[in-house]
Amino acid sequence: DSGVTQTPKHLITATGQRVTLRCSPRSGDLSVYWYQQSLDQGLQFLIQYYNGEERAKGNILERFSAQQFPDLHSELNLSSLELGDSALYFCASSVQGGEFTEAFFGQGTRLTVV
Amino acid sequence: AQSVTQLGSHVSVSEGALVLLRCNYSSSVPPYLFWYVQYPNQGLQLLLKYTTGATLVKGINGFEAEFKKSETSFHLTKPSAHMSDAAEYFCAVMYNAGNMLTFGGGTRLMVKP
Repeated sequence: DSGVTQTPKHLITATGQRVTLRCSPRSGDLSVYWYQQSLDQGLQFLIQYYNGEERAKGNILERFSAQQFPDLHSELNLSSLELGDSALYFCASSVQGGEFTEAFFGQGTRLTVV
Repeated sequence: AQSVTQLGSHVSVSEGALVLLRCNYSSSVPPYLFWYVQYPNQGLQLLLKYTTGATLVKGINGFEAEFKKSETSFHLTKPSAHMSDAAEYFCAVMYNAGNMLTFGGGTRLMVKP
């Protein structure tokens, strides 16, 4: 158990809909990262938050957004969903107390858009 | 742009044989280097990491990797494969502490009885 919790584990939704994926980082970790894993794109970095502030952005679509709350949990919002958004979305956390640690990954949320 | 190349998207070995999974990165500045393993329907689990110091690093489950700066490589090895090693393996780099990971395309390891 990595200590990173993602909910829900599975999500099936229709095209055009909006979903929210939730991530609770390891206790004390300040950084949260979101990654997308798909067959054609592999593992792609989407966005990073550090202590509530956006720190880095990767290949994140404009239809996607994220935030990190004061209790450090994070949400990834995906809107106007398309079939191609079907993927496994991972959250990871790191940086405990300002000191770098490796990134610990959650079990992922498998999103299926039909 | 930073990139990580894993040679061989599929590797098949016999049980008890040497496992060698290759990873090369593109950078003139040595990054932090990681190997993660992903079992079916699971998240990513850290096998081992190189940050500084000794270039041969040992990880969990008998795996080790050697950082070779001159070759920009970080190949993963295990002397004797076990059936339970069958999984997908990802090499990743991080260029500054706490920044995001850039992953290679992954190598699926199959272990034959």
